[in-house]
Amino acid sequence: EMQLVESGGGLVQPGGSLRLSCAASGFTFSSYWMNWVRQAPGKGLEWVAKIKQDGSEKQYVDSVRGRYTISRDNAEKSLFLQMNSLRAEDTGVYYCAREWEPLAFDIWGQGTMVTVSS
Amino acid sequence: QSALTQPRSVSGSPGQSVTISCTGSSSDVGGYNYVSWYQQHPGKAPKLMIYGVSKRPSGVPDRFSASKSGNTASLTISGLQADDEADYYCCSYAGSYTSMIFGGGTKLTVL
Repeated sequence: EMQLVESGGGLVQPGGSLRLSCAASGFTFSSYWMNWVRQAPGKGLEWVAKIKQDGSEKQYVDSVRGRYTISRDNAEKSLFLQMNSLRAEDTGVYYCAREWEPLAFDIWGQGTMVTVSS
Repeated sequence: QSALTQPRSVSGSPGQSVTISCTGSSSDVGGYNYVSWYQQHPGKAPKLMIYGVSKRPSGVPDRFSASKSGNTASLTISGLQADDEADYYCCSYAGSYTSMIFGGGTKLTVL
């Protein structure tokens, strides 16, 4: 079974940092672009970041560029999101998602909750 | 870049059809054939229902269909069932800088 499992969420103060992880199984992780998508409480989905198969290309939504860093470890079949200088508006459920051709997200994790609050 | 525009809510009775619109611009929906649709039940992860404007992944019922005209994409659900009640999101590729952009979401109520 193809699966993504996120971890690392929690409560953090404004200005703090958090590192999210996403473990993949059941498919060839190194063959796919991978993404992070978030959802603020009671709000819609927002694409956050993506990374190419070999890690050579990364893209970010404007609101996190310079604060977040996406990375991956293909040997460990894992995706990461390092989040720094966190703000209240970063609060939400963070999903990792596999990008399937053409440019659609076909496998999603269950999400991990990030709460930025003092 | 602003989210794609979807109606906040739609509703229909079992067996009926409903259509959800998704309006963007020539920089996203109108510029690429990379529109996808997702179904999300409360507390659950989104599920891919449509990709490439109108293609259905394996396992998605043919009651779900989609199309695009100009800057507006549409998802039609026919033969409504109780389990179709969920939030639906459109998503479009928006170029190499912006990458992917979602709609604000539409809550479907099956009466």
